[in-house]
Amino acid sequence: GQQVMQIPQYQHVQEGEDFTTYCNSSTTLSNIQWYKQRPGGHPVFLIQLVKSGEVKKQKRLTFQFGEAKKNSSLHITATQTTDVGTYFCAGRNSGGYQKVTFGTGTKLQVIP
Amino acid sequence: SQTIHQWPATLVQPVGSPLSLECTVEGTSNPNLYWYRQAAGRGLQLLFYSVGIGQISSEVPQNLSASRPQDRQFILSSKKLLLSDSGFYLCAWSLGGGITEAFFGQGTRLTVV
Repeated sequence: GQQVMQIPQYQHVQEGEDFTTYCNSSTTLSNIQWYKQRPGGHPVFLIQLVKSGEVKKQKRLTFQFGEAKKNSSLHITATQTTDVGTYFCAGRNSGGYQKVTFGTGTKLQVIP
Repeated sequence: SQTIHQWPATLVQPVGSPLSLECTVEGTSNPNLYWYRQAAGRGLQLLFYSVGIGQISSEVPQNLSASRPQDRQFILSSKKLLLSDSGFYLCAWSLGGGITEAFFGQGTRLTVV
């Protein structure tokens, strides 16, 4: 079955440093989504990428979808304490199934 | 606007007891519905998904089951809970037939003792 892995699993950064999490799928994806889960909360949708090589920005967050549509990355510039949480990528495979498979997540801790 | 309700928020159950978690969606029709489990500090494991009434797909073998008796109602059940069933259970919905985001409920934190 489809597997979506993320690295790193955990990341501690000093406030102001940059952060990147990488997402890799075992199969080609029709789209990739990114979610953020604050401690004790539920995942909240951030963004969706559809096109090969697509890059989208949300303030300090930059999202990229790989050319082969099998990997993606999320980069945060100058992290803030409000960025703390677990970031998940989620892929919908290109085989027509309706389900969304979540990545293993990257837990970000920002040290003030 | 669409909303998703999931209850209860927390639950402590003894081993061997039954389980019933309910999730309802308002403001949309024929949503795709999902049950996920998140073990402490871990990722989201897809348990079940449904594209319509009575249509349930199971992703992992386990002692849990799911049912969709109505279009916007999704129920997660177990006849006898195991210690390993402890975790954070999340219900989610998305629109079908397209490329859309998933909206999550607040989750149920289940502790089996």
